Amino acid sequence: DTAVSQTPKYLVTQMGNDKSIKCEQNLGHDTMYWYKQDSKKFLKIMFSYNNKELIINETVPNRFSPKSPDKAHLNLHINSLELGDSAVYFCASSDLESQQYFGPGTRLTVT
Amino acid sequence: SQQGEEDPQALSIQEGENATMNCSYKTSINNLQWYRQNSGRGLVHLILIRSNEREKHSGRLRVTLDTSKKSSSLLITASRAADTASYFCATDSFDYKLSFGAGTTVTVRA
Repeated sequence: DTAVSQTPKYLVTQMGNDKSIKCEQNLGHDTMYWYKQDSKKFLKIMFSYNNKELIINETVPNRFSPKSPDKAHLNLHINSLELGDSAVYFCASSDLESQQYFGPGTRLTVT
Repeated sequence: SQQGEEDPQALSIQEGENATMNCSYKTSINNLQWYRQNSGRGLVHLILIRSNEREKHSGRLRVTLDTSKKSSSLLITASRAADTASYFCATDSFDYKLSFGAGTTVTVRA
């Protein structure tokens, strides 16, 4: 049973396009996160939702918009994609102040 | 900005040897966590150590925490080829998020 799943695993698209990444967790956690990992493996948090409410919104361009339709889902929509958006995006979930469970990642390549 | 910074950036050891990596951080923490990432995969949680704990063990892993020096270490004993991965420390600083370091890449040679 997959705990945190993401789709798609790979996403190749052109500059200027709009794309979405979906995330689902079946662990019953209240909190979900989106992270971006760059080519140097540096992992930075982008957003966090707790019970469908946005609690963390780091300095991320407003082209990135998270949406949480329910506690088990946190999707990431990206408008007007740029070359610099190329990275691996990870979804994660947890109970607050506890370990996080990560999805397998979505490798986004913008050409 | 990064909270945790790992040292060394890369480590190559022979199978059976021990591997030690260190993490330094800047602000007060609630807890510190270590994660492993195999190539092309997501992060997997290894150990969580709370700010009032000094040492924790899990199988072949040993984590220490020195809050006075704002540092932690992860020791992997009797390493195996399957331990080849990147290891990250992450700090929870009472702000509902984890701040990750840049990681230590460990290569275990057969």
